[in-house]
Amino acid sequence: AQSVTQLDSHVSVSEGTPVLLRCNYSSSYSPSLFWYVQHPNKGLQLLLKYTSAATLVKGINGFEAEFKKSETSFHLTKPSAHMSDAAEYFCVVSVRTGGSYIPTFGRGTSLIVHP
Amino acid sequence: KAGVTQTPRYLIKTRGQQVTLSCSPISGHRSVSWYQQTPGQGLQFLFEYFSETQRNKGNFPGRFSGRQFSNSRSEMNVSTLELGDSALYLCASSLGVTTGMNTEAFFGQGTRLTVV
Repeated sequence: AQSVTQLDSHVSVSEGTPVLLRCNYSSSYSPSLFWYVQHPNKGLQLLLKYTSAATLVKGINGFEAEFKKSETSFHLTKPSAHMSDAAEYFCVVSVRTGGSYIPTFGRGTSLIVHP
Repeated sequence: KAGVTQTPRYLIKTRGQQVTLSCSPISGHRSVSWYQQTPGQGLQFLFEYFSETQRNKGNFPGRFSGRQFSNSRSEMNVSTLELGDSALYLCASSLGVTTGMNTEAFFGQGTRLTVV
């Protein structure tokens, strides 16, 4: 079975300061890992994905994430927050089992950016 | 290039009724996935269709069903609605043969279903 834990339900930062959104996963098999962002009243948008290539993954809008197998983590970072980054962020793990992919979502982290 | 279109955007239904939601994928995409988002359970995967065949299925009761047409448009049906079915239902399309989010999924804005 697979699971995802987003360690913070809310993260509050000031504009221009670094962002860290934490995600831990558990999976019996090699996972694919994703970060998605959801702005208010919008669908989800892919930020980045890890699919067993480079462990440091760069995404859109200056975000990146590092896959650490030993720590079963896939934390999302950004060097400098922008007001437009305020949104809900979801970490997702997907594992192929028996020919099927069942994605499992974290509960989400709400990023608040103060001026 | 048009994005994923979900209709209607908002729905109010009475407990016990049934409902059908529609999703038109991005042109050329052959896979459509459905998700339920609620404050209590978060985001959960319902099912995925590719070339009119269900390829992946989440852990939802049989009241939740779907289908995909030859033009890749998909519908989701919920029968015998319960209050707990009130949620935002998101649809996503992708190019991939099998997704479950292993390839990039592009999401619509969702249909907000309220069951009263």
